[in-house]
Amino acid sequence: RKEVEQDPGPFNVPEGATVAFNCTYSNSASQSFFWYRQDCRKEPKLLMSVYSSGNEDGRFTAQLNRASQYISLLIRDSKLSDSATYLCVVNGGGGSYIPTFGRGTSLIVHP
Amino acid sequence: GAGVSQSPSNKVTEKGKDVELRCDPISGHTALYWYRQSLGQGLEFLIYFQGNSAPDKSGLPSDRFSAERTGGSVSTLTIQRTQQEDSAVYLCASSKKGSGQGFIQAFFGQGTRLTVV
Repeated sequence: RKEVEQDPGPFNVPEGATVAFNCTYSNSASQSFFWYRQDCRKEPKLLMSVYSSGNEDGRFTAQLNRASQYISLLIRDSKLSDSATYLCVVNGGGGSYIPTFGRGTSLIVHP
Repeated sequence: GAGVSQSPSNKVTEKGKDVELRCDPISGHTALYWYRQSLGQGLEFLIYFQGNSAPDKSGLPSDRFSAERTGGSVSTLTIQRTQQEDSAVYLCASSKKGSGQGFIQAFFGQGTRLTVV
């Protein structure tokens, strides 16, 4: 089993749609969770951290379920500019400071 | 600048040649990571530096790969006797050391696109 797994997609949605991505991780000792965004041929950039209580940043909501070891990202009112690959990132756990990246989920928002 | 700087941005080399890739992290960031990303693939961890501690080299794919970090700042990734399968984008990231939380967000450079012909 891979350490961090994501559905690669692509998710093809119209503008204004709500879309959700999930990510599962294998290390139950993992401590930190993030969503990164990567545009085509660009470097990854932090989208948001994921907290146990769940957190929201504008149209984006992140949730963490430790019991089931998954993380979710919800995007409401999708914009064309949201088209990108969304990377789930989990730290190694057990004192590890090495972030492990999922392969990413591709989102395409069309007019 | 304020961000992570990598050079060169593009490198084309002949199979069998050695290459050096440079990363200049954000000032004050003690942690530095190297990843590589092949076309359509996820980020593959290569090596991690934290302050003056011994680096975590567990991700290096072969002994042709090595990296150093001088003075706790600039890092150089060296690939000896390059092979075509080494072609990828090599990404460097830096962060403040995580404390308790384990990892604080990493900031990435724009990468070096390596093509081995």
